[in-house]
Amino acid sequence: IQLTQSPSSLSASVGDRVTITCRASQGINSYLAWYQQESGKAPKLLIDTASTLQSGVPSRFSGSGSGTEFTLTISNLQPEDFAAYYCQQLQSYPPTFGQGTRLEIK
Amino acid sequence: EVHLVESGGGLVQPGGSLRLSCAASGLTFNTDWMSWVRQSPRDGLEWVANIRQDGSETHYVDSVKGRFTVSIDNVKNLVYLQMNSLRVEDTAVYYCTRGIGSGKAANAWGQGTLVTVSS
Repeated sequence: IQLTQSPSSLSASVGDRVTITCRASQGINSYLAWYQQESGKAPKLLIDTASTLQSGVPSRFSGSGSGTEFTLTISNLQPEDFAAYYCQQLQSYPPTFGQGTRLEIK
Repeated sequence: EVHLVESGGGLVQPGGSLRLSCAASGLTFNTDWMSWVRQSPRDGLEWVANIRQDGSETHYVDSVKGRFTVSIDNVKNLVYLQMNSLRVEDTAVYYCTRGIGSGKAANAWGQGTLVTVSS
């Protein structure tokens, strides 16, 4: 299953609201996760099963979608949110990742 | 809290072997999965292999089948990735994770260990 993220990069300002899209080449129900990766660090799980926020993740992060189209929305961007974001499908093997979206400060 | 620490990375020639280790603490014995995920500038993030925590089931990405073997030692709390017949394209940072199996995402990651395959 191929995952296509868009955009591949995004410039935004503190306080903005941004949306990242992840499209699957076939239906994956809600078996989709979102990760955040800060420069030089390991990825961190933000959301699984498409919309379940992990404990400790700020509520400005939200996920939605099912089937083949999913979105990650970050409201009221904070300085620590500027990082790379990846989606991953967990419907079937191999559990593939999207190519990533780099969120940069405008 | 789960804590994962990888070791064993380094420089190896094409065709060589390397064994990565992941020291895990804070895990409970259940049907959790443990995985290896790698990341390179060329291929981005790529899931490599996983193993059910009781060792009863494993899966591999096609590109490493027959070359890599994942195993677990629940007495020592270690997860291993034995990598044989290494190729240049296996060069990456390798992460040990809890999760990625039975529909579950990776909710804990190690810091990663760099594997470089080069002559």
